[in-house]
Amino acid sequence: EPEVTQTPSHQVTQMGQEVILRCVPISNHLYFYWYRQILGQKVEFLVSFYNNEISEKSEIFDDQFSVERPDGSNFTLKIRSTKLEDSAMYFCASSLDRGYRQPQHFGDGTRLSIL
Amino acid sequence: RKEVEQDPGPFNVPEGATVAFNCTYSNSASQSFFWYRQDCRKEPKLLMSVYSSGNEDGRFTAQLNRASQYISLLIRDSKLSDSATYLCVVSQGGSYIPTFGRGTSLIVHP
Repeated sequence: EPEVTQTPSHQVTQMGQEVILRCVPISNHLYFYWYRQILGQKVEFLVSFYNNEISEKSEIFDDQFSVERPDGSNFTLKIRSTKLEDSAMYFCASSLDRGYRQPQHFGDGTRLSIL
Repeated sequence: RKEVEQDPGPFNVPEGATVAFNCTYSNSASQSFFWYRQDCRKEPKLLMSVYSSGNEDGRFTAQLNRASQYISLLIRDSKLSDSATYLCVVSQGGSYIPTFGRGTSLIVHP
């Protein structure tokens, strides 16, 4: 079964540094998403992306965050100047279509630890 | 009021038991509903979509009650491998921002 892959599995970064998290969505999917989950808390939506632009974003997704699809396969999340509170599990997801009834397929996540 | 509420549990049940979880949502404009399963420190995995008429997939049955604004998940004949956290996910029509509940923890013991 095709799957969403994410790299790295664990990223440790000093506060204030930039970090890029990478995702390869399922190849025929058209919609891409980033979520985060702080340890012990719920999964929170960050951003959705389609046709090389952001479709929707949450209040969490401020100017420190950006997303990009630099080529035909990768989908990246950049955090410009990391803060301690950015420590979380970051999940990428993709779906075949955008309809709100479309289920999303999640990658196995990148654990981001900010020191 | 929280948008999507779930009893965090844990629900501790023996193998073979039937267990049910509820999830309430506050936004009456919500249009789509899902149950996801999340194992410890793993990604959410879609368990099933929830349709107005209710739906069943093997041992799992999902129901939607729009009038009372809740969805339910019933697991029959629990297996040890069902131990996980079950996440309720709700989306509004016209917006793709899904709202996750904090999840209900299920522990199935021998």
